[in-house]
Amino acid sequence: DAMVIQNPRYQVTQFGKPVTLSCSQTLNHNVMYWYQQKSSQAPKLLFHYYDKDFNNEADTPDNFQSRRPNTSFCFLDIRSPGLGDAAMYLCATSRDGDSDTEQYFGPGTRLTVT
Amino acid sequence: LAKTTQPISMDSYEGQEVNITCSHNNIATNDYITWYQQFPSQGPRFIIQGYKTKVTNEVASLFIPADRKSSTLSLPRVSLSDTAVYYCLVGVNEKLTFGTGTRLTIIP
Repeated sequence: DAMVIQNPRYQVTQFGKPVTLSCSQTLNHNVMYWYQQKSSQAPKLLFHYYDKDFNNEADTPDNFQSRRPNTSFCFLDIRSPGLGDAAMYLCATSRDGDSDTEQYFGPGTRLTVT
Repeated sequence: LAKTTQPISMDSYEGQEVNITCSHNNIATNDYITWYQQFPSQGPRFIIQGYKTKVTNEVASLFIPADRKSSTLSLPRVSLSDTAVYYCLVGVNEKLTFGTGTRLTIIP
């Protein structure tokens, strides 16, 4: 089945130690998104790629970076995780970035910072 | 900063119809309104989408008034498995933004 896969499902990292979360898709969609979702809050868009074009949200901290080496894979790098970065990180894809196209979400990676 | 707002929580008994409203005063002219369902420790899942008037699919209906400043998700005859958080997603200021979310609890 075509899907969005996130690995790992649970990640523990130490304060200040760089961490990378990964996302892959078999949908061949043009757009890949990264969202941060804290407890009892709505998902918050960090950035997205339209093909190779990177689109950063204005309020996304510089501590968060992303890479998309090919259509199928996208990575979220947190350069120096702080305690406040503990959250669920959701990857999503869509055929294009228009509001009338459905976003397909992965199961998320829950990040714990110790 | 304009927010896309929803009631924080709702309770309903099994078999009832549930209506969840999203207020989006600053929705972009050409943008659609999409609703997602999210279970604990899972990513959101698409429910329904519309631009104006009424849309119905096999699981829900979506009502959008003429001014498009709000929308209502209607779930007919809910069951325990409908217990989840429901989000609207709309375009505001050239950015797709999730609503604040509504936690729906179905009571047996």
